[in-house]
Amino acid sequence: DTGVSQDPRHKITKRGQNVTFRCDPISEHNRLYWYRQTLGQGPEFLTYFQNEAQLEKSRLLSDRFSAERPKGSFSTLEIQRTEQGDSAMYLCASSPTGQINYGYTFGSGTRLTVV
Amino acid sequence: GEDVEQSLFLSVREGDSSVINCTYTDSSSTYLYWYKQEPGAGLQLLTYIFSNMDMKQDQRLTVLLNKKDKHLSLRIADTQTGDSAIYFCADPNDYKLSFGAGTTVTVRA
Repeated sequence: DTGVSQDPRHKITKRGQNVTFRCDPISEHNRLYWYRQTLGQGPEFLTYFQNEAQLEKSRLLSDRFSAERPKGSFSTLEIQRTEQGDSAMYLCASSPTGQINYGYTFGSGTRLTVV
Repeated sequence: GEDVEQSLFLSVREGDSSVINCTYTDSSSTYLYWYKQEPGAGLQLLTYIFSNMDMKQDQRLTVLLNKKDKHLSLRIADTQTGDSAIYFCADPNDYKLSFGAGTTVTVRA
């Protein structure tokens, strides 16, 4: 297992287009998280899955955002009708249940630029 | 509360020690973390400390925790050019991590 993988690494899109990002967590991790990081800031929590169940969504996640984890393995994050304010690094992380105390494992992120 | 605050920039000469400071508000956390982010990359867990400890040493890294003042610090001994990065402290709230804005460490020759 090579860790948490995210695809694509970079995405440039025109305002109003839809984009989808993929995250493949560490295979034995049943918790998966999405965070957003804007320039000069720390990551901010977006949403969290335990297996296939989405258990919490931040108020940062507007109606234009949707995340899925259909089989409890990989996850997708879709942004509809992108806006320039959506430009950010989108980070995925995973952890085993009950071991948040040892921290998550983060992927390298997908950098989104909306032009 | 989940606010985490850090100083934003630190410039240090190669071979000197770096000290990065952080204050947090959630005192119920069992652990506190330090993450490192290199340019264009994700976050790498650097070290963590149990909340019942005052100090943890891990090779060149020393973490100090003052629970009374809710103050966390990371000391990097013999700072190298490869230590140039952004360092985040993180305070867990159940399954969520709250991050500071990050301290950008620049190592000069």
